[in-house]
Amino acid sequence: DAGVTQSPTHLIKTRGQHVTLRCSPISGHKSVSWYQQVLGQGPQFIFQYYEKEERGRGNFPDRFSARQFPNYSSELNVNALLLGDSALYLCASRPTGLGEQYFGPGTRLTVT
Amino acid sequence: AQSVSQHNHHVILSEAASLELGCNYSYGGTVNLFWYVQYPGQHLQLLLKYFSGDPLVKGIKGFEAEFIKSKFSFNLRKPSVQWSDTAEYFCAVNPNMFSGGYNKLIFGAGTRLAVHP
Repeated sequence: DAGVTQSPTHLIKTRGQHVTLRCSPISGHKSVSWYQQVLGQGPQFIFQYYEKEERGRGNFPDRFSARQFPNYSSELNVNALLLGDSALYLCASRPTGLGEQYFGPGTRLTVT
Repeated sequence: AQSVSQHNHHVILSEAASLELGCNYSYGGTVNLFWYVQYPGQHLQLLLKYFSGDPLVKGIKGFEAEFIKSKFSFNLRKPSVQWSDTAEYFCAVNPNMFSGGYNKLIFGAGTRLAVHP
């Protein structure tokens, strides 16, 4: 069975640019969450979407936005990139009801 | 603020040694607890989870963890580690499991475990 997939794998952007990261959840999973993992730290929660609605937002600036599509895939958008946005961005999906989150391999974003 | 503390940032062990990684969280309500593992070059994988019931939970690859509610702790243990256990281990808490589908995980900073043959 296919796990959570993310694209692209790696990305290099310049300060001030915009980036879009994509995630496809495991088939049947309607909940998608995004996390930022800076080197040497644990993942930090950014957003959760469930049934195409935002259900939670972490302590991130408005430059970060996301959406979920009818097929439950999701995009994370970051505007006006800063050097500090360099990180591994993780997507996780979860089935309805109790259950753990399943993580994708992540997108490594480098901002120069 | 809700937080998760992992006491050991780096642990070095020899094969067959016993392992215990500490995890404490700050949240007074109902929580669900997880340990995730990240092997070199791989993505985060679930090691074990606690939702309710027996506070001693068993996971994959011989790992277990004990939930002690009074101590707000969820320590990970393995009686005898192997070289293949070399990885980074993350403790995570979901403090809002039953709140309208909200499903935020709060992670600790992680513990890097190196097991030498």
